[in-house]
Amino acid sequence: QKEVEQNSGPLSVPEGAIASLNCTYSDRGSQSFFWYRQYSGKSPELIMSIYSNGDKEDGRFTAQLNKASQYVSLLIRDSQPSDSATYLCAVKLRDAGNMLTFGGGTRLMVKP
Amino acid sequence: GAGVSQSPRYKVAKRGQDVALRCDPISGHVSLFWYQQALGQGPEFLTYFQNEAQLDKSGLPSDRFFAERPEGSVSTLKIQRTQQEDSAVYLCASSFTISGGNRYNEQFFGPGTRLTVL
Repeated sequence: QKEVEQNSGPLSVPEGAIASLNCTYSDRGSQSFFWYRQYSGKSPELIMSIYSNGDKEDGRFTAQLNKASQYVSLLIRDSQPSDSATYLCAVKLRDAGNMLTFGGGTRLMVKP
Repeated sequence: GAGVSQSPRYKVAKRGQDVALRCDPISGHVSLFWYQQALGQGPEFLTYFQNEAQLDKSGLPSDRFFAERPEGSVSTLKIQRTQQEDSAVYLCASSFTISGGNRYNEQFFGPGTRLTVL
């Protein structure tokens, strides 16, 4: 079992819809969770961080964390074609020092 | 302000050559990380510095890989006797610190160096 898992996709949604991206992790003691967006040929860009159970909203993005179930999700409201990218979930695992452990990423396609 | 910068952006090496990849972190950022990203996969940790001290090098795949940050700012990742399996994008990230408030742990990535070994 991988330490951080994501569905590779592609996840295809129509423009204006809500895109829901999910991530599960193996280390129950993990405390820090991040979502990065990566356009093709570019480097990861931090879009959300979340540390406590519940929801955190920033513009069209909402991160949701459920530590008991060991999952973190990212919702993108009013999806735009410009949101088409790979979304990487990253976790600072409890026993892995200060590094980030990444999932394989979910490719999102928003169709006009 | 300026973000993390990396050079060169692209590097083509013949198998067996040595290469050096440079990372210039965000000014004032204490922590610096190197990751390797293969095509279609998430980044994988290589090594981590706090100031000039290399505190974790558990992700370096072999003793051909060496990293340094002698003055606590710019870092260099060196790969000796490159092999085809070293072909990947090498990403550098920095964060303000690793202690203190959570926000200061956020890691910001540079543009990466794409290494191709022929």
